[in-house]
Amino acid sequence: DVKVTQSSRYLVKRTGEKVFLECVQDMDHENMFWYRQDPGLGLRLIYFSYDVKMKEKGDIPEGYSVSREKKERFSLILESASTNQTSMYLCASGTGPIPSGYSNQPQHFGDGTRLSIL
Amino acid sequence: GENVEQHPSTLSVQEGDSAVIKCTYSDSASNYFPWYKQELGKGPQLIIDIRSNVGEKKDQRIAVTLNKTAKHFSLHITETQPEDSAVYFCAASINTNAGKSTFGDGTTLTVKP
Repeated sequence: DVKVTQSSRYLVKRTGEKVFLECVQDMDHENMFWYRQDPGLGLRLIYFSYDVKMKEKGDIPEGYSVSREKKERFSLILESASTNQTSMYLCASGTGPIPSGYSNQPQHFGDGTRLSIL
Repeated sequence: GENVEQHPSTLSVQEGDSAVIKCTYSDSASNYFPWYKQELGKGPQLIIDIRSNVGEKKDQRIAVTLNKTAKHFSLHITETQPEDSAVYFCAASINTNAGKSTFGDGTTLTVKP
């Protein structure tokens, strides 16, 4: 089974701190994603990466950055945490294009990090 | 960009009844439609998916239907059980190299014993 591991289940930080959320997948997946989940707003894409050192903005990238130095690891960085970034953060991974030609494949999620910014 | 709307936001059924969740999408280029189930304290997990070259797919008590003309797709759960209680998300995806999906806002399903 695919395993996506997020380093912390719960995290409490202070306003203005630099915060790192780490995610590791064990299936050699090309694609990795960071979402935030808020009640009534579903899953909103922050950033994604389709290869090492490659990244693209999602729908809500403001206030965040990412790093992908190794294929299995995708880090989300809050440069200067603010209270409106209190949320559940979910990491996901997915395989890249397969021989059938389809690039869009299922995503495999971690169990999330609940981040509180005080 | 793609917009996915999901209804209802909450759904309560008696054990043994059927449950239907509906989603609409805006981008006619979307060709992959996965459904995820999220149990309390867990991340979403894929339960069924469908591609635009088929109209229906079934896996035991779960089925998904797709109407490309109307741009909507639905999740059907028959003979519901208490363990089906969870949040369900639909998603739509275009066949790009990134494989990213746009998600609906989720449906909280409660199955009463």
